[in-house]
Amino acid sequence: KQEVTQIPAALSVPEGENLVLNCSFTDSAIYNLQWFRQDPGKGLTSLLLIQSSQREQTSGRLNASLDKSSGRSTLYIAASQPGDSATYLCAVVGGANSKLTFGKGITLSVRP
Amino acid sequence: DAGVIQSPRHEVTEMGQEVTLRCKPISGHNSLFWYRQTMMRGLELLIYFNNNVPIDDSGMPEDRFSAKMPNASFSTLKIQPSEPRDSAVYFCASGPSGAYEQYFGPGTRLTVT
Repeated sequence: KQEVTQIPAALSVPEGENLVLNCSFTDSAIYNLQWFRQDPGKGLTSLLLIQSSQREQTSGRLNASLDKSSGRSTLYIAASQPGDSATYLCAVVGGANSKLTFGKGITLSVRP
Repeated sequence: DAGVIQSPRHEVTEMGQEVTLRCKPISGHNSLFWYRQTMMRGLELLIYFNNNVPIDDSGMPEDRFSAKMPNASFSTLKIQPSEPRDSAVYFCASGPSGAYEQYFGPGTRLTVT
């Protein structure tokens, strides 16, 4: 059974800091990996999707990497801003018709 | 497109009552997912439809939960009878095909007293 772990559960950083959020998964036979953002009281917004054949994806100040063999992914946020404060969830898909398995998320607080 | 639409956004009910949550997926999407989110367990998949057919309902907690998708533009998740431990945020998501690209609705916050 696939398990996705995100540690720590919460993180507080000063504005402007570059930071890395970690995600690990137990079964390396994944189809893809996604990072989502969730604002309080809201649904999830997809930030980046990395196919199993890819090593990284970039969008603006965000960069996500994937190392399938070690079962790890990182989300790098450059020059963090207070508006980046949210919960970031990592999720993997085990196969083309498989389901998304989510981590519990990392709640990020960026202090002005 | 308006995105995935869920109703109601908030529901407060008493234990034993029937609860029906509704979802309208994004037009043209073939896959629909119901999730439950709690602090303790995080985000869990309850059931997954593809072309209106249930593909995986292994996450449905027990017989009190049922889900239907009578057509491509509407789905319901019903809890009967509801219990306090069902209190959670329930999300609906849709995708063009399969599980690998999903768009989430705003969720329904259910409180059972």
